[in-house]
Formats: sequence, C-alpha cells, structure tokens
Amino acid sequence: EVQVVESGGGLIQPGGSLRLSCAASGFTVSSNYMSWVRQAPGKGLEWVSVIYSDGTTYYADSLKGRFTISRDKSKNTLYLQMNSLRAEDTAVYHCARGRDGFADWGQGTLVTVAS
Amino acid sequence: DIQMTQSPSTLSASVGDRVTITCRASQSISNWLAWYQQKPGKAPKLLIYKASSLESGVPSRFSGSGSGTEFTLTISSLQPDDFATYYCQQYNNYSPWTFGQGTKVEIK
Repeated sequence: EVQVVESGGGLIQPGGSLRLSCAASGFTVSSNYMSWVRQAPGKGLEWVSVIYSDGTTYYADSLKGRFTISRDKSKNTLYLQMNSLRAEDTAVYHCARGRDGFADWGQGTLVTVAS
Repeated sequence: DIQMTQSPSTLSASVGDRVTITCRASQSISNWLAWYQQKPGKAPKLLIYKASSLESGVPSRFSGSGSGTEFTLTISSLQPDDFATYYCQQYNNYSPWTFGQGTKVEIK
C-alpha cells in the first residue's frame, strides 16, 4: 500500500529554519515525481516544489530561493528545507506523489511561523 | 509562473444539477492539467489528469475537457457527496507548476 507521512512541522519564529520530512512506503521516492504542496489556514492549495525522478527541481517563483527540496534514497524520504521563514509561510505542508496529477497525498504537517 | 484562473469562485447548485467549472491558463499547457476535489480537513483527491482522463475509482459523472489554455470540469448530475472545493492544477513539463484558486460548490 502506498503511503506518505509528513513530519517536522511546528512553531517557529520569523527568520528561522525548519526541515520537513516525508517518509514513503509502498513505492520508491527516487523513482517518482515528488512534490510539496501547502495550504494556509482557510486558503487554497499552493504548489511549492517538485523533484523529478531524474533529480531536476522546480520551485514556485514566490519562494525566491528560500526553500530547497531533496531526497534520501537510502531512507526513501523526501525533504523540504525552509529558510528565512515568514508569517505568510504558515500552512499545512503536504507531500504528494505523481507526474500526471497527484494521486497520493499525505495528511500534512502544520508549520506556524509566529513570534 | 503560469497563472491558472478558475471560475466561478463559488457555485450554488442542487442535487441532480449539471455543474461546470472553468480553468484558464495564462499560456498554453497542452493537456497537462489535473482536477482535484477537497473536503474540509482532508487531503485533496485526484479526479482527472491529462485534462480528460478519469482517475481510477472516480465516478463517471465527473469529466474533463479542453486543451491549450481553456479547460472544464463537468459533474453531470451533482450528488450530495460532491459538495466540496475543486481545484485545477497545471503541470507543464520543465516549468513550475501551479494551482487555480479553487471553486467551492455549495448547496443551493
């Protein structure tokens, strides 16, 4: 059974850093297109980043180089390193698998940026 | 980034109604478009991919069409379980991906 479980969220002060993890089971992270999608409270979905199976990465323009997506083949885990966090980064962060749409989603991890 | 504009933002409809949601891309995305349904507190559910392909297990009352810059999601006969928020998403190759702002389907 395919499953992805996010972790690493929490309360962080503005300007701080956080690394989110997405542990996968039932499939190989490095053989798939993996994305991060976030949703601020009461708002719509916002695509954050993707890593292709060949390692190519893309990011939403609004992130301006603050976030980095990566993966660990040995741990079958996807990561999102988030730096210089701002209040507007407060959201539930989901990891999702898929090339033609995201068929598999985790339940998400909440990141709250506040002092 | 390619901008995706959905309309309407909110839609009031009754059970049994035919419902259509439109999504427009700021530039051509061929057929690299997906549609999702999201209910409160839940992760989104993939309904349609490649603009018109029905995801396995999704009821046939859902259909998608379009290519280039104009796309539609149609629910042929709205059911009680279909009241939710719907999002389009473009996944054009070798560029950032984006979602539309969402369409909330409410009970009339």
